[in-house]
Amino acid sequence: NAGVTQTPKFRVLKTGQSMTLLCAQDMNHEYMYWYRQDPGMGLRLIHYSVGEGTTAKGEVPDGYNVSRLKKQNFLLGLESAAPSQTSVYFCASSYGGTGNTIYFGEGSWLTVV
Amino acid sequence: GNSVTQMEGPVTLSEEAFLTINCTYTATGYPSLFWYVQYPGEGLQLLLKATKADDKGSNKGFEATYRKETTSFHLEKGSVQVSDSAVYFCALSDPTGRRALTFGSGTRLQVQP
Repeated sequence: NAGVTQTPKFRVLKTGQSMTLLCAQDMNHEYMYWYRQDPGMGLRLIHYSVGEGTTAKGEVPDGYNVSRLKKQNFLLGLESAAPSQTSVYFCASSYGGTGNTIYFGEGSWLTVV
Repeated sequence: GNSVTQMEGPVTLSEEAFLTINCTYTATGYPSLFWYVQYPGEGLQLLLKATKADDKGSNKGFEATYRKETTSFHLEKGSVQVSDSAVYFCALSDPTGRRALTFGSGTRLQVQP
């Protein structure tokens, strides 16, 4: 009963380092999303994908890249981490139909020092 | 664009008190509306949803009614418990395209015994 799984759960990076967050879902969902959560701001959409091989920008895409090479996986990359990217990152997925529930992972806590 | 406004917290209540968390939205078309709950250190879980006007979503004693005329989706519970302490997010889903969620800033609820 895995659902949406994110790795790693915690990471500390130095400014300028790069890293990749991995999201995997086992529900055969077409749509996948990456959000960031910051205090007092709710969740904001970084990038999303409506199917294998497709990606698109959300509201706050700068400094991030994504890839969806396999339907079940959605990778979020930080090429050169900055302190402003300190946040909690959530991956989510859904079937994509109107009103369909979006399921979230447990989050990845990233600190950039 | 789409937006969600919900009351600021924290909301502090005594056990068995009545809860209302206000949520209003701005959207084009006919979005679906959601309430998600986040317990400390965890991801977001769907609490309830409504996909069309006048629909009432309900779960675990919580209710919310989709009011198109007032563009609102207020969350209510008749008698809160200490275990309801969490952050509650109101959200809407694009009716077309990316089907992503737009979130409010979240309302922290603290229930005291």
